[in-house]
Amino acid sequence: AQSVTQPDIHITVSEGASLELRCNYSYGATPYLFWYVQSPGQGLQLLLKYFSGDTLVQGIKGFEAEFKRSQSSFNLRKPSVHWSDAAEYFCAVGNQGGKLIFGQGTELSVKP
Amino acid sequence: NAGVMQNPRHLVRRRGQEARLRCSPMKGHSHVYWYRQLPEEGLKFMVYLQKENIIDESGMPKERFSAEFPKEGPSILRIQQVVRGDSAAYFCASSPPPTGSAKNIQYFGAGTRLSVL
Repeated sequence: AQSVTQPDIHITVSEGASLELRCNYSYGATPYLFWYVQSPGQGLQLLLKYFSGDTLVQGIKGFEAEFKRSQSSFNLRKPSVHWSDAAEYFCAVGNQGGKLIFGQGTELSVKP
Repeated sequence: NAGVMQNPRHLVRRRGQEARLRCSPMKGHSHVYWYRQLPEEGLKFMVYLQKENIIDESGMPKERFSAEFPKEGPSILRIQQVVRGDSAAYFCASSPPPTGSAKNIQYFGAGTRLSVL
């Protein structure tokens, strides 16, 4: 079955600290992988995507993610978190066309 | 270049009424997707449409829910005889045709929050 698991429901980090949000997927075909961010009451904004090629992808707002096929993972990282990064983060998997399958989300809180 | 527009942003209905949610895709996008987000959950796929065609409705409840994307005008998600369990945020996304470099990049609207009293 196709699925995405984000093991951490809620993470709190201090401002300036590094961040890693975990994402594991189960997908029969070659996956296209995405990270989206959702601020309260807002829609989803695409942070970054992986289709093929270099397994380390750079996104907006200083985020990056690494695709590890052997671990079926696509973890999101940021070296130094800013207070404005507090939001909910969703990992998703899809293919050439059609639906995205989302994880349950990880809520990020940032301590001053 | 306007993004994906959804309206209304908030919709309140009483049990048994109909809810109509509208989505105008980004300019140049001919593919529309609807997702539902229940409280404390991620987004769940409902339906994928192209102009005048339903491509994948595997996530749509069997009854009371329907969607269309006419040749002219926005995509409509229609929920008949709403029940309390329909209360959720409904998100629309659009994409260009998934060919070449565009692939399946979906751009999301701000959502419609449906509350059923």
